[in-house]
Amino acid sequence: GAVVSQHPSWVICKSGTSVKIECRSLDFQATTMFWYRQFPKQSLMLMATSNEGSKATYEQGVEKDKFLINHASLTLSTLTVTSAHPEDSSFYICSARAEQGPDETQYFGPGTRLLVL
Amino acid sequence: QKEVEQDPGPLSVPEGAIVSLNCTYSNSAFQYFMWYRQYSRKGPELLMYTYSSGNKEDGRFTAQVDKSSKYISLFIRDSQPSDSATYLCAMSGGGYQKVTFGTGTKLQVIP
Repeated sequence: GAVVSQHPSWVICKSGTSVKIECRSLDFQATTMFWYRQFPKQSLMLMATSNEGSKATYEQGVEKDKFLINHASLTLSTLTVTSAHPEDSSFYICSARAEQGPDETQYFGPGTRLLVL
Repeated sequence: QKEVEQDPGPLSVPEGAIVSLNCTYSNSAFQYFMWYRQYSRKGPELLMYTYSSGNKEDGRFTAQVDKSSKYISLFIRDSQPSDSATYLCAMSGGGYQKVTFGTGTKLQVIP
């Protein structure tokens, strides 16, 4: 149980375009989802916390107008990177907190590798 | 000083060895401690979850928490090549507080 999927698994786009990444909890409901970014050989950097039906909470230094997050249902959250630039190239990972089990455990998706040319 | 410190490695061990992975932390409010395994180009996978101090065992894996020393460990017995991955420690204060991750230790188990 507790499977989280992400789509797409990788994407290459031109500078200035927007990219949408989907995160789904497949076998459980997730009132809270998280979006992380991971650069090579670095740890997970929390970008924002997404709660179903409400606005996302962004971490300091993360531009909310650039990284649009929507959590319209208990099983789906989306991250849209608007006007992407090469410095946005990274590994984006979502996670979901399951309602059952310990609150502090998160189940991660497989990640989306973004390359902006 | 980072809230969570973890040696990035890499750590190379022969197959069958006992592996010890460690993290130290500075925030005494942390109550929940997790270990994740991350294979290359994949998302992290939850391995162990521990609340407060003590030990927890699951198969070949043992997690230890020493809150007095602000030190947590993950032991892997009879290590296998399939254990080769990056291991991330993570912790939080509970109450839906943000989870803080270590930078990860890269482990390589050599056949």
